[in-house]
Amino acid sequence: QSALTQPASVSGSPGQSITISCTGTSSDVGSYNLVSWYQQHPGKAPKLMIYEVTKRPSGVSVRFSGSKSGNTASLTISGLQAEDEADYYCCSYAGIFRVVFGGGTKLTVL
Amino acid sequence: EVQLVESGGGLIQPGGSLRLSCAASGFTVSSNYMSWVRQAPGKGLEWVSIIYSGGSTYYADSVKGRFTISRDNSKNTLYLQMNSLRAEDTAVYYCARVLYSSVSFDYWGQGTLVTVSS
Repeated sequence: QSALTQPASVSGSPGQSITISCTGTSSDVGSYNLVSWYQQHPGKAPKLMIYEVTKRPSGVSVRFSGSKSGNTASLTISGLQAEDEADYYCCSYAGIFRVVFGGGTKLTVL
Repeated sequence: EVQLVESGGGLIQPGGSLRLSCAASGFTVSSNYMSWVRQAPGKGLEWVSIIYSGGSTYYADSVKGRFTISRDNSKNTLYLQMNSLRAEDTAVYYCARVLYSSVSFDYWGQGTLVTVSS
């Protein structure tokens, strides 16, 4: 059982928007604005998409955005494109020193 | 250009030991926080260990007492010494640079597969 809870799968059509939730507890997501999101294509290493809840690294499309409310963080992808199809993982700092990941969400672009 | 290249994975019997290496280029390992993250076949990501720039180290409960993270500043290389290996340690092991202010992983290696089996 993963420390952070994500839906196993989400899907959307090209051009649509989707949101992936990531539910933790008051000891991790709820206590720190240190939530990050990773995209992973099959057979590839993860790629940082969002850090510190809402920040985008240089080079990441503005179509990716993050937010948080209470113990739940969310990743929104707008204007879905075929290349967005991948697995997505959330991650949160959980105190000195512990990092927890979500179980992952498979995004299918229909 | 930042690059991380892992090596040292392979097939090892339960109870055995293995040392993974992660050669870095484009930045200085000793000036950054560095981490190991693993992914069991078909499963999600699991944080394993971190080493601070100051040298402090931390481990996931699942590997505490069995794994040791270290670095060689002269070789700009990160290591993970894995002892008393178990079947559940089977995974692709990634090294990653930590964006320390955010506790996120901004650069990853390609991973090295460790298989623990008799």
